[in-house]
Amino acid sequence: DSGVTQTPKHLITATGQRVTLRCSPRSGDLSVYWYQQSLDQGLQFLIQYYNGEERAKGNILERFSAQQFPDLHSELNLSSLELGDSALYFCASSVEGLVNSPLHFGNGTRLTVT
Amino acid sequence: GQQVMQIPQYQHVQEGEDFTTYCNSSTTLSNIQWYKQRPGGHPVFLIQLVKSGEVKKQKRLTFQFGEAKKNSSLHITATQTTDVGTYFCAGRKTSYDKVIFGPGTSLSVIP
Repeated sequence: DSGVTQTPKHLITATGQRVTLRCSPRSGDLSVYWYQQSLDQGLQFLIQYYNGEERAKGNILERFSAQQFPDLHSELNLSSLELGDSALYFCASSVEGLVNSPLHFGNGTRLTVT
Repeated sequence: GQQVMQIPQYQHVQEGEDFTTYCNSSTTLSNIQWYKQRPGGHPVFLIQLVKSGEVKKQKRLTFQFGEAKKNSSLHITATQTTDVGTYFCAGRKTSYDKVIFGPGTSLSVIP
């Protein structure tokens, strides 16, 4: 158990809809990362937050947005969903603020867009 | 932008054979991390290399960081079926930069 909690585990929705994925980081971790993993693909970096502030942005679509709340949990919002958005979405957390801290991943949310 | 590449994409080995995956970055890295993802699972941190030329071992796994801090390798000696999974390298340009993952090497071990 990594200590990172992601909900829901599975999500099935239709094209054009909007969903929210939730992530609770490990206790004490200030940084949250979001990654997208499509079938048999690698981990595509979406966005990183540190202590409530956006720190780094990857190839995140404009239809996607995220935020980190004062209690450090994070939400990833996906809107106007397309079939191609079907993927496994991972959240990871790290202590950060320290040099070279490893990432601890949650179990992921599997999104299926029909 | 920063790119991290890995080869091979897939590797099938007989149990007991050795396995190596190579990771190359388009830019100098502050550090390199290695993760393993079992089928149906999430990536799990294995190790981190920070110094130029660094070599670290974990039982049958040997990790190396290149002198120029742009490449790395993971070598598994005498593979076992428990080694099955996808191995990802991940790096960042600075200690506070985003962590970019390579595409991974998927290892299959034939008993």
